[in-house]
Amino acid sequence: EVQLVESGGGLVKPGGSLRLSCAASGFTFINAWMSWVRQAPGKGLEWVGRIKNNADGGTTDFAAPVKGRFTISRDDSKNTLYLQMNSLKTEDTAVYYCTWTTVTTIDYWGQGTLVTVSS
Amino acid sequence: EIVLTQSPDFQSVTPKEKVTITCRASQSVGSTLHWYQQKPDQSPKLLIKYASQSFSGVPSRFSGSGSGTDFTLTINSLEAEDAATYYCHQSSSLPWTFGQGTKVELK
Repeated sequence: EVQLVESGGGLVKPGGSLRLSCAASGFTFINAWMSWVRQAPGKGLEWVGRIKNNADGGTTDFAAPVKGRFTISRDDSKNTLYLQMNSLKTEDTAVYYCTWTTVTTIDYWGQGTLVTVSS
Repeated sequence: EIVLTQSPDFQSVTPKEKVTITCRASQSVGSTLHWYQQKPDQSPKLLIKYASQSFSGVPSRFSGSGSGTDFTLTINSLEAEDAATYYCHQSSSLPWTFGQGTKVELK
């Protein structure tokens, strides 16, 4: 069974930083492309960014609103995905979902972790 | 950025009724258009990938069609458990984008 378990969410002040983690199991993580998707309270879904597997270069891509502030990394030895969020803004407040991306489809989603950016 | 526009935004339906949701892309996405279902307080779940391929375990009453810029998600004979918000999503080009969502409510 595929499991994606996010952690690390919480309350942070504007300008602050937070690192989210996603523990993956039930599939071959080292081969997986992974993405983060967020959902502001009461709003729709917004793709945040993705990381390819190391065999495909391990490169990352980001949506414009987070580019330069967010980074995605992975530790294949721990089957764990990370989202480092810096210079946080109030508009970054959302539930952040870790997803298993089979190159061009988001097949599985975690349960999400809430990030609240507020003074 | 490819904009996806869903219609309607909201639909109130009775059980066993047929539901049709459309998704229009601002430019062609080929067949890289996917549909997700999100129930209240749950994470989204993949229903249909590549416009018409049913994902594993999805009931056969869900189907998808279309290509290029116009796509349709159909729910034949709606069941109570299908009350949810449905999103289309394109992965043809970065940034990946989603439609605004269509909320399906039971009458």
